[in-house]
Amino acid sequence: QVHLVQSGAEVKKPGASVKISCKASANTLSHTYIHWVRQAPGQGLEWVGVIYPTGGVAPYAQRFQGRVSMTRDTATSTVYMELSSLKSEDTAVYYCAKHGSNYGYIDDWGQGTLVTVSS
Amino acid sequence: AIHLTQSPSSLSASAGDRVTITCRASRALPSALSWYQQSPGTPPKLLIYGASSLESGVPSRFSGSGSGTDFTLAISSLQPEDSATYYCQQYNSFPYTFGQGTKLEI
Repeated sequence: QVHLVQSGAEVKKPGASVKISCKASANTLSHTYIHWVRQAPGQGLEWVGVIYPTGGVAPYAQRFQGRVSMTRDTATSTVYMELSSLKSEDTAVYYCAKHGSNYGYIDDWGQGTLVTVSS
Repeated sequence: AIHLTQSPSSLSASAGDRVTITCRASRALPSALSWYQQSPGTPPKLLIYGASSLESGVPSRFSGSGSGTDFTLAISSLQPEDSATYYCQQYNSFPYTFGQGTKLEI
């Protein structure tokens, strides 16, 4: 069972960048896809992107292209998502979530990280 | 990107009732559709995958059906704890996409 633990809440100013982390159980990233999904206050779920077990990434969701980067550190089983040029509309809870290498549906989620963008 | 349209956006029902939520895809998905339940302040919880397979530990009063472009989540014998927002999601192709959600009040 892969367990996902995310970093704590962040407060950023418009134009800044934020980098949040998602730590998976040891030795699991080699067979786990890690997705990032965000949820603005009172809104629905929005898929951001995914990092493959190989460390590669699928094309990010169009509205984030050019502003988002997903990386990983296999030594610490941690995946990172960095979002730059922050706007107030980026205020949201960001979830990491996973699916295994032999199926495509997301079956577990981190606890979420609130990112607040405010001047 | 595949667009998912859920209906209704909200509904109210009584304990013991049966309700259905539909999800229509802009392109055929085969069976690559999942359903999630989300309560306020918590991450989504997987209910159904493969359009109709019940996730382990999920009560059998939840069921999913459909294929192609039209899918349904049914909840029978509603319990008060079923009050939540429900989302469909397609995983047939990237970008993964979600329906806009259906808020269920018991």
